[in-house]
Amino acid sequence: EPEVTQTPSHQVTQMGQEVILRCVPISNHLYFYWYRQILGQKVEFLVSFYNNEISEKSEIFDDQFSVERPDGSNFTLKIRSTKLEDSAMYFCASSEAFQGSKIEKLFFGSGTQLSVL
Amino acid sequence: AQKITQTQPGMFVQEKEAVTLDCTYDTSDPSYGLFWYKQPSSGEMIFLIYQGSYDQQNATEGRYSLNFQKARKSANLVISASQLGDSAMYFCAMRGYNNNDMRFGAGTRLTVKP
Repeated sequence: EPEVTQTPSHQVTQMGQEVILRCVPISNHLYFYWYRQILGQKVEFLVSFYNNEISEKSEIFDDQFSVERPDGSNFTLKIRSTKLEDSAMYFCASSEAFQGSKIEKLFFGSGTQLSVL
Repeated sequence: AQKITQTQPGMFVQEKEAVTLDCTYDTSDPSYGLFWYKQPSSGEMIFLIYQGSYDQQNATEGRYSLNFQKARKSANLVISASQLGDSAMYFCAMRGYNNNDMRFGAGTRLTVKP
């Protein structure tokens, strides 16, 4: 089965540094997402991306965050100046376009564990 | 706005017995999908089952079934014949046809006892 690929699996950074988390969604998918999960708790929505632009973002996704699809295959999340509270597992997800009335599921990557020191 | 509520932070079940994990939701989208994902201790998000809001029958996938009560806005997951490997976090999620972001409940940690 096709997979969403995320790199790196672990990232350690110093507070105030910039990080870029990378994702390769499934190739024929059109909707892309970033979620985060702190210590195995709730899976929190950050941002959705469709047709080369942000379609929705949560209150968590402030000016420190940005997303990009630079080359038609990668989908990146940049945190400009990391804070301690940004430490979390970050999941990338993607889905197909809807076929008729069926709502498509999200395929998730295995996540990037970000630790901010 | 979409809202998903899972009121059971933790559940215990004896191996080989059935267990029901509760999920209620609220949405203004007339067409939506309800999903359950399993997250074992390894951390990956594993899709289990899907129910469309216009589906006439409750969804089933092997030992998983979804008890969908649209009027009550509930979509409970039933796991039959529990196995030790079912011990994990379970998340209920919803995705609307118009507002198609997927939002998650707080999760229920299921522990299967031998």
